[in-house]
Amino acid sequence: DTGVSQDPRHKITKRGQNVTFRCDPISEHNRLYWYRQTLGQGPEFLTYFQNEAQLEKSRLLSDRFSAERPKGSFSTLEIQRTEQGDSAMYLCASSLEEDGANVLTFGAGSRLTVL
Amino acid sequence: DAKTTQPNSMESNEEEPVHLPCNHSTISGTDYIHWYRQLPSQGPEYVIHGLTSNVNNRMASLAIAEDRKSSTLILHRATLRDAAVYYCILRVDYKLSFGAGTTVTVRA
Repeated sequence: DTGVSQDPRHKITKRGQNVTFRCDPISEHNRLYWYRQTLGQGPEFLTYFQNEAQLEKSRLLSDRFSAERPKGSFSTLEIQRTEQGDSAMYLCASSLEEDGANVLTFGAGSRLTVL
Repeated sequence: DAKTTQPNSMESNEEEPVHLPCNHSTISGTDYIHWYRQLPSQGPEYVIHGLTSNVNNRMASLAIAEDRKSSTLILHRATLRDAAVYYCILRVDYKLSFGAGTTVTVRA
């Protein structure tokens, strides 16, 4: 079990550019989550997948954000036309639906800096 | 989302116990109490969870008040590696909603 992997770990981009983050969850986990965390704050929920279906999106997820999970395995989070306010740590987590406690396993995160 | 209230920070000495309080007066009967911690430059890590009864695992103990309106996470012997932000969360369905947590500092 290699845990939840996120790539890249760090991304620096210029305002207006598009960026994409990838998350590889624990292989048997069918639930996948994206969170965003800014300095000094707790993680904020962005979106949730059960298998390949995106079942919930936070109002924080503006039209510039899109997440996919083709085939119910890895997931991508794309941010179009980045803004300085998008600078944050983007965290991915996964869990198993059959786990009654629904314990989330988080990746180390992808840190985005928008100049 | 159901809310929790935690102190902003706590300090402890190495090898001493740490008691982290959490108030959740609006908890409903089906809300699980989860604790996660986040070490610097890492994602959050699961610590422990419970519903009504006190719980113990290799990392910590969770003491839940009889009325469930508060709980306490207990680290029995703090080490320098326990320095982290600790989050008390009420889990509703599949989603975890994090607050600002308690920053724990451990003095050598």
